[in-house]
Amino acid sequence: DIVMAQSPATLSVSLGERATLSCRASQSVSNNLAWYQERPGQAPRLLIYGASTRATGIPARFSGSGSGTEFTLTISSLQSEDFAVYYCQQYATWYTFGQGTKLEIK
Amino acid sequence: QLQLQESGPGLVKPSETLSLTCTVSGDSINGSFTYWGWIRQPPGMGLEWIGSIYYTGTTYYNESLRSRVTLSVDTSTNQFSLKLRSVTAADTTIYYCARHRLTSTRRRPVYFDLWGRGTLVTVSS
Repeated sequence: DIVMAQSPATLSVSLGERATLSCRASQSVSNNLAWYQERPGQAPRLLIYGASTRATGIPARFSGSGSGTEFTLTISSLQSEDFAVYYCQQYATWYTFGQGTKLEIK
Repeated sequence: QLQLQESGPGLVKPSETLSLTCTVSGDSINGSFTYWGWIRQPPGMGLEWIGSIYYTGTTYYNESLRSRVTLSVDTSTNQFSLKLRSVTAADTTIYYCARHRLTSTRRRPVYFDLWGRGTLVTVSS
């Protein structure tokens, strides 16, 4: 199985600041990577697929980058609704997810 | 607006079968570029894909769960279902259903673009 490792486990950032979340794959997944946001009590939401393509309705402050084994999700100016847990998922070989990064208010 | 809603018992006894249903509303389950999947969130771990099913009945399963899982689809009710046999406490977690997208360039589905809110299932006597 391809193992996905996310870092950090928890990230504390102030409103309006930039957040950078990392995801590493145990082997190359090319650009077959998605990012999801999960807020408490809500359904997880697809943010990014193809490593860098924003899903429908996702604000431009969310951006994804990377290829191969190293990926980044950047939120350029944090809004209150962005504080949540974020997961990466590879779909190059079946489907595995990272353990998540909890983004909290500093 | 497409919505997915999980339903089923919140409490299952050890060694019994966990059964959940996902109701799709706002669109037909017969979509040609859509599989329908189940994902769960084991405590302290990341999300875990369980399996996915096409409206024709074609299925893909996580190898680690394959021996205990059966997915089915009912196009007449716009629902798909999960059965997980011989459950233990380790199966206690939140279960999500989700739309699992196909693309024109891949033989298997790729990312999950719409999710239900999830339902907590506890395995306990």
